[in-house]
Amino acid sequence: EAGVTQFPSHSVIEKGQTVTLRCDPISGHDNLYWYRRVMGKEIKFLLHFVKESKQDESGMPNNRFLAERTGGTYSTLKVQPAELEDSGVYFCASSQAGTVNTEAFFGQGTRLTVV
Amino acid sequence: AQSVTQPDIHITVSEGASLELRCNYSYGATPYLFWYVQSPGQGLQLLLKYFSGDTLVQGIKGFEAEFKRSQSSFNLRKPSVHWSDAAEYFCAVGARGNFNKFYFGSGTKLNVKP
Repeated sequence: EAGVTQFPSHSVIEKGQTVTLRCDPISGHDNLYWYRRVMGKEIKFLLHFVKESKQDESGMPNNRFLAERTGGTYSTLKVQPAELEDSGVYFCASSQAGTVNTEAFFGQGTRLTVV
Repeated sequence: AQSVTQPDIHITVSEGASLELRCNYSYGATPYLFWYVQSPGQGLQLLLKYFSGDTLVQGIKGFEAEFKRSQSSFNLRKPSVHWSDAAEYFCAVGARGNFNKFYFGSGTKLNVKP
């Protein structure tokens, strides 16, 4: 069974450009999470989808970030326009709906560099 | 507010030596606690978790962790480190009501000397 897959693995863009990150969760996982790690600091929660609905977007830093999960399958995270402080590693995780014993599985992350 | 502190940014141990990685948390209730590991080029992998019950938790790859409520700690241990354990380790608290909404520590990078 395929794990959580993120595309691209690396992206280098100029300040002011737009970048779209993609996450393909494990098939059948209703929950999808986005996290970000900036400059070797802690990994921070961005938002949580349950199927196609945003359950919690309290961690989204500002309105330059737009996350979607059309059809409840893969998700995209768009940054427009990108700023230097957006550089970091963006992680996606997915989990089944259910009880406390549901494990979250993480992708390998997308390293975004804004120059 | 919830927070997790990993006081050691880097740790170097010799292969075969014992290991303890420290984690302290701040949370208003009994926490859900996790340790994740990230090997180079890989995603985060769950090592172990604590929700309730026995405060000594066994995980994969020979790791264990002990929840100490009085010290607000959840330290990770391994009796004998292997070169393949070199990675970055993250302690995390899971939010009540959404336990996969994690509050992570800043991570500890483990180097293993031959």
